[in-house]
Amino acid sequence: DAEITQSPRHKITETGRQVTLACHQTWNHNNMFWYRQDLGHGLRLIHYSYGVQDTNKGEVSDGYSVSRSNTEDLPLTLESAASSQTSVYFCASSEGWRETDTQYFGPGTRLTVL
Amino acid sequence: GNSVTQMEGPVTLSEEAFLTINCTYTATGYPSLFWYVQYPGEGLQLLLKATKADDKGSNKGFEATYRKETTSFHLEKGSVQVSDSAVYFCALSALHSNDYKLSFGAGTTVTVRA
Repeated sequence: DAEITQSPRHKITETGRQVTLACHQTWNHNNMFWYRQDLGHGLRLIHYSYGVQDTNKGEVSDGYSVSRSNTEDLPLTLESAASSQTSVYFCASSEGWRETDTQYFGPGTRLTVL
Repeated sequence: GNSVTQMEGPVTLSEEAFLTINCTYTATGYPSLFWYVQYPGEGLQLLLKATKADDKGSNKGFEATYRKETTSFHLEKGSVQVSDSAVYFCALSALHSNDYKLSFGAGTTVTVRA
């Protein structure tokens, strides 16, 4: 079965360190997304990609970057981790680029920045 | 801009009780509306969706009707089970800055007691 996986599932790091969260999907979807989930805010979009070599900023992109070198992977990098980036991070993918398209989510990565 | 407001939780119910979670939205144009569910320790998964006014989405005994006149998409289930304990997110997909993006509500935590 097709799926979307994230690693690691849990990560503790220190302020100022660079951290990369992995996302891998086997749906063969062109579109991939990164969200962060914080209490009281629901999910907020960090970055997204509509295909290889394409990346776009979401509403909370400061301090994060992504790169898309193939269809299956969209790693999220925190250049210099800050305590405000402690959160649960979800990767998602979708087949199409329409308002009716469903996004499929990974299991999440819980990141703690000390 | 586009936004979703859903009732705050937590909501605690007894098994076989009726569940309703209110969701209202603000959007330009004609959004698609979604309910996603997040079970403990897991990522979000689509529960149901509706893509145009008066459409009813349904799945696993849950229902929601897209009401354009009241800009609402309330989630209902007639008889809940312990296995329905989860966080429920209302979301809309609409055009924003030339892209279709998902906007989420803050989430409602539902606990069903045996």
